[in-house]
Formats: sequence, C-alpha cells, structure tokens
Amino acid sequence: ETGVTQTPRHLVMGMTNKKSLKCEQHLGHNAMYWYKQSAKKPLELMFVYSLEERVENNSVPSRFSPECPNSSHLFLHLHTLQPEDSALYLCASSQTWGGGAYEQYFGPGTRLTVT
Amino acid sequence: GQSLEQPSEVTAVEGAIVQINCTYQTSGFYGLSWYQQHDGGAPTFLSYNALDGLEETGRFSSFLSRSDSYGYLLLQELQMKDSASYFCAVRDPNRDDKIIFGKGTRLHILP
Repeated sequence: ETGVTQTPRHLVMGMTNKKSLKCEQHLGHNAMYWYKQSAKKPLELMFVYSLEERVENNSVPSRFSPECPNSSHLFLHLHTLQPEDSALYLCASSQTWGGGAYEQYFGPGTRLTVT
Repeated sequence: GQSLEQPSEVTAVEGAIVQINCTYQTSGFYGLSWYQQHDGGAPTFLSYNALDGLEETGRFSSFLSRSDSYGYLLLQELQMKDSASYFCAVRDPNRDDKIIFGKGTRLHILP
C-alpha cells in the first residue's frame, strides 16, 4: 500500500460530461502532482501543488481543472473532454516540492475512457 | 531540447543480471531517479543518484556518471516478479524543478 489513493479507478465518460477525479495522500507530504500516462509515451506532468498552491501548470488544456483544498487532497475536474484525453491519470505526492521531488509516491491511477 | 533515452524493451533470464541504461539531455540536472511499474500498477520509487557512482539497495543498484549524462539500473538475481517497466527521471532545476520521465523500458524475464 503506497499511501496514495485515487477514485474512481475506472471512468467512462462522454465528451459532454463533467466528472472529477479524487486523490488522497496519507503520508503527510506537502507536494501533490497530476500526471497523464498514455501508451507508448512518457509520463506527462500536468499540475503540481505545493502547500496547496499551484506551482506548475504544464500547458494543460483548460478542460482539465485542478483543485487542492488541503495538503492531503487533490482533485482533477474534467469537462468537455476529447477522445485523445483517454489515458491513465496518476496522482503522486512527495515530501516537498523542489528538493524532495525526486522521490514521489504514486496512487494506482484512474483509467479514463472518453467516448 | 530535453530528452531521456532508454531502451524500449530488454529481455533477460531468471537468475541473471540485467542493466537498463538511461542517457539524458536536459538544460540542468540535479539527479536521476528510477521507478518501477508493474502492469496495471502504480509507479514505485526505486532509487535516486545525485552524485557519481553506484548506489546499492539489495538486488537493485543504480549508477550515475554526470560527465557522461548517463546512468543505469542494475538488477541482479532476476526474479519473475521483476517483470515490469522501469522509468528513469531527471529533476531539472533550470525548468522550475520539473520532473522529466523517460518512456520506460519494458523488462521481460524468461524462466
């Protein structure tokens, strides 16, 4: 058990739907991340939050909207997605941003399919 | 540009030793991390090298040569459960400490 949980594990949504992905870390970490993992492509960093403040927005389309209400919870709100957004979305945390970012703890991911 | 290069696939025999290489081209460099990911699972942290040399953790070792922009992960006494994808990752201080992952190396282990 990695200490990072994600719900739901699987999600199928139409292009006009609105849904949210949830991540919770039980490790007392100060930094949280959203990644996108597509087949045959490297892990793509989407957003980083450090102490509940967004410190990285990696040119992600506005149809993805993150929210970090506290240091233990991270959400990714989805709306009007495209089929190419189908992927595994991974949440991760690390002790700190910057110097501590080399050791990240990942959740199991949400497998998203956009129809 | 920035890139990490690692082989897409490697095959080895159970009980043997295998080395997975990673070369990087980034504008800055703090250190090299390695992660393991089983099919359907989450990436898990294996090791981190900030300085040149070999770091050993049980059956797994990781090596870094900063002058060569090169590192490798060495897996010894291979077990079937080591079948997974292995990713190298660099933290680049010149890119707001962005973590850049390689595409991963799929390790196949034969009995």
